[in-house]
Amino acid sequence: NAGVTQTPKFQVLKTGQSMTLQCAQDMNHEYMSWYRQDPGMGLRLIHYSVGAGITDQGEVPNGYNVSRSTTEDFPLRLLSAAPSQTSVYFCASRQPGQNTEAFFGQGTRLTVV
Amino acid sequence: GNSVTQMEGPVTLSEEAFLTINCTYTATGYPSLFWYVQYPGEGLQLLLKATKADDKGSNKGFEATYRKETTSFHLEKGSVQVSDSAVYFCALGTDYGGSQGNLIFGKGTKLSVKP
Repeated sequence: NAGVTQTPKFQVLKTGQSMTLQCAQDMNHEYMSWYRQDPGMGLRLIHYSVGAGITDQGEVPNGYNVSRSTTEDFPLRLLSAAPSQTSVYFCASRQPGQNTEAFFGQGTRLTVV
Repeated sequence: GNSVTQMEGPVTLSEEAFLTINCTYTATGYPSLFWYVQYPGEGLQLLLKATKADDKGSNKGFEATYRKETTSFHLEKGSVQVSDSAVYFCALGTDYGGSQGNLIFGKGTKLSVKP
């Protein structure tokens, strides 16, 4: 079982460029989420999905888009990268139910110059 | 709304010292509570959880008890090792309200254990 797979692991972008962070899970989880991790800020929710075709905004959605065409995949798109988006990004998946564990990918370290 | 507050770090301990990382929460209803650990360069992984009041979660020598009366879920370990150096996150889970399907995390506490 691969769990949650994120690609790439590292990326450097120039201001204004766009890119897509990939996330795939093989556990048939309905819920998937994207977080960013910044020093002193913990994990902040960007966007989430409770099933294929359904997405919603989290705490810090501006500058990011998502889609969920399949249960397995939940890509995060940066539309026009800004230095403020320099961060470590984590994708997570989980089954419904408040007792269920979230599984995290290894993260993508993004630097915008 | 729902929230988690955990003690700020960093925390530096000597090997075999006793560890406590405080975590308190605010939530409507009866959430589940989790501790996650993040080793350097890795993603988060579940350390332990508790799903109802007075439950004790335990794993790898770590323990935490769900205290509804004090809305707390403090993480403890009797004797830390260098390999426990990591960032620890307290989190709560509900399936209602604005956090539907998502865990709410504290800001994390960095632990460094010196030999």
